[in-house]
This record gives sequence, C-alpha cells and structure tokens, in this order.
Amino acid sequence: NAGVTQTPKFQVLKTGQSMTLQCAQDMNHEYMSWYRQDPGMGLRLIHYSVGAGITDQGEVPNGYNVSRSTTEDFPLRLLSAAPSQTSVYFCASRIRTSGVPYEQYFGPGTRLTVT
Amino acid sequence: EDQVTQSPEALRLQEGESSSLNCSYTVSGLRGLFWYRQDPGKGPEFLFTLYSAGEEKEKERLKATLTKKESFLHITAPKPEDSATYLCAVQLMDSNYQLIWGAGTKLIIKP
Repeated sequence: NAGVTQTPKFQVLKTGQSMTLQCAQDMNHEYMSWYRQDPGMGLRLIHYSVGAGITDQGEVPNGYNVSRSTTEDFPLRLLSAAPSQTSVYFCASRIRTSGVPYEQYFGPGTRLTVT
Repeated sequence: EDQVTQSPEALRLQEGESSSLNCSYTVSGLRGLFWYRQDPGKGPEFLFTLYSAGEEKEKERLKATLTKKESFLHITAPKPEDSATYLCAVQLMDSNYQLIWGAGTKLIIKP
C-alpha cells in the first residue's frame, strides 16, 4: 500500500494564480481532510470529506475549494493564490466511524510558496 | 475557548537523558487525545491514542499518560533517532472528526 500520496511536493505560485494540490489514498478510507501547517501554530483544518460527494468546511476554508468524486481522491484547489496561503499542506485520511477517535494517516505534504 | 498547548517549544537532550513533553488542554469535553511524531519534511505519523484519565500507553522508549488536564510523553533513554517534532491533538466530545492541534515540541537528541 502506498498510503496517502500528495503531488506536487513543492510549488511556487504568483499572486492570483490558481492551482490544484492532488491527494490520493489506497486504504479505502471514507474520511479525508486537508490541513495547513504554519510555523508556531498547530495544524489547521481547511476542508474535509466523509465520503464521495460529501464535503464540508473546516476552520480556515476561505480561498480553497474541494471536491470528492471518488473514495480515493480529494484534490484541493486554490482559486486565486495569495501570499497568506504560503504554507505546508497535508492531506490525511482515516476510517469514517463518526465520533470515535481513530488515528489519521498523513501524506508527505506539499510546500507552497506564493510570491 | 478550546485550546491545546504544548511545552516546551524545543528540548535538547543528550543521548540517554530521559525527559517528558507536556500537552495541556482546556476543552469542554474530551473524546480522545492523540500523539504524533513528525520528521522534517514529512507528514505526521501516529503514535498513540488516549481516551480517559489514568490511561497509559507505551511504545519502545516512549510512554504517553493522560490526566484530566494534560498529557505527558515520557522519553526514556532517548537515542538520536528519536529527534523529531512531537504533536498532540484533541478530539472534542461534541466533534465527530475535527481535532484541535498543539503547535508541537521539537526534540533534539545529541549523541
């Protein structure tokens, strides 16, 4: 099993450009999520999905869109990049069981710089 | 406001020098507390889940404990390969999935 994979590993964008960060998992996990990690702060949830066709906003959703057409894939779209979106982005997945604190499995991250 | 605070921000130890990392939380209700390890340039890797006060879990040189206000990650006789950032996260009682994360403790073990 590859686990959770993310592409690209690094990306530089200019202000106003758009792009999609890719995330895929092969563990048949229904729950997937996107986080951003900034220095000195805890991971912050951007968007999450509890299954194909179902998405919801997390703590910091502004400027980002997601969709979930399959169980395996959960891409994150930056609509119009801003310097404040410079960060490291992690995709994670877990089994769905609502309420039960199961562990999440993380991808290797995408380091994004917006100039 | 629900909050998770980790201390210290950074900790330098000599190889073999045991110590503890702290994760204190102020939340309305706790479903579970997680510890993760994060190596530079990589995603967090799951270590432990603790569910209730008094619970303890061990893995190699690591032992995690939980009280009603905080969790400790005890590291016994650490080795340089234990160097990493250790993250804790809390799942609230009124949350199905969402976690509140601490900022992490960067642990450096010198040979």
